[in-house]
Amino acid sequence: NAGVMQNPRHLVRRRGQEARLRCSPMKGHSHVYWYRQLPEEGLKFMVYLQKENIIDESGMPKERFSAEFPKEGPSILRIQQVVRGDSAAYFCASSPPANNNEQFFGPGTRLTVL
Amino acid sequence: AQSVTQLGSHVSVSEGALVLLRCNYSSSVPPYLFWYVQYPNQGLQLLLKYTSAATLVKGINGFEAEFKKSETSFHLTKPSAHMSDAAEYFCAVSGSGANSKLTFGKGITLSVRP
Repeated sequence: NAGVMQNPRHLVRRRGQEARLRCSPMKGHSHVYWYRQLPEEGLKFMVYLQKENIIDESGMPKERFSAEFPKEGPSILRIQQVVRGDSAAYFCASSPPANNNEQFFGPGTRLTVL
Repeated sequence: AQSVTQLGSHVSVSEGALVLLRCNYSSSVPPYLFWYVQYPNQGLQLLLKYTSAATLVKGINGFEAEFKKSETSFHLTKPSAHMSDAAEYFCAVSGSGANSKLTFGKGITLSVRP
């Protein structure tokens, strides 16, 4: 059973470009969480999704950031018009429907904004 | 609201010595508590979790943690440190259902001296 997969592992964007980060949960997992790890700030929750639904987006910045988890395919975290402050490691975690208290993390996408 | 406090940012122990990493939490609902380990440039790996069963929880790699409600603590211990334990350790708290997002402490870097 493959673990949580994220791609790309490293992403470089120039200011003003768009970044798309993808997350494929573990097989059978229908819950996806996104977290961001900024230097000196630790890991912060961004958004919690189930298939086709956003359950909790209390950690998402109000502008430029969006997330989706369609019925088919991976979850996508989209950052429009990136700025240098968006440079961070973005982690996705998934959990099964019967036990959403145990989250399994992917290896992360490291975004660098030039 | 939930929060986690991990005092200090760095702990150094000798190989074979006791490891003690402290974690205190605040939660308005019965908490689920977790310890994760992160090796450089990798994702997070679950060490152990407390989910309202036994208060002494055993995890992987010889780690264990004890839930003490009266002290709102969930300290991580290992009797004998190994060089391979050098990593960053995060304590986290969550609720359940729609409140299952993880709230992390700032993390503690563990160094192991030969």
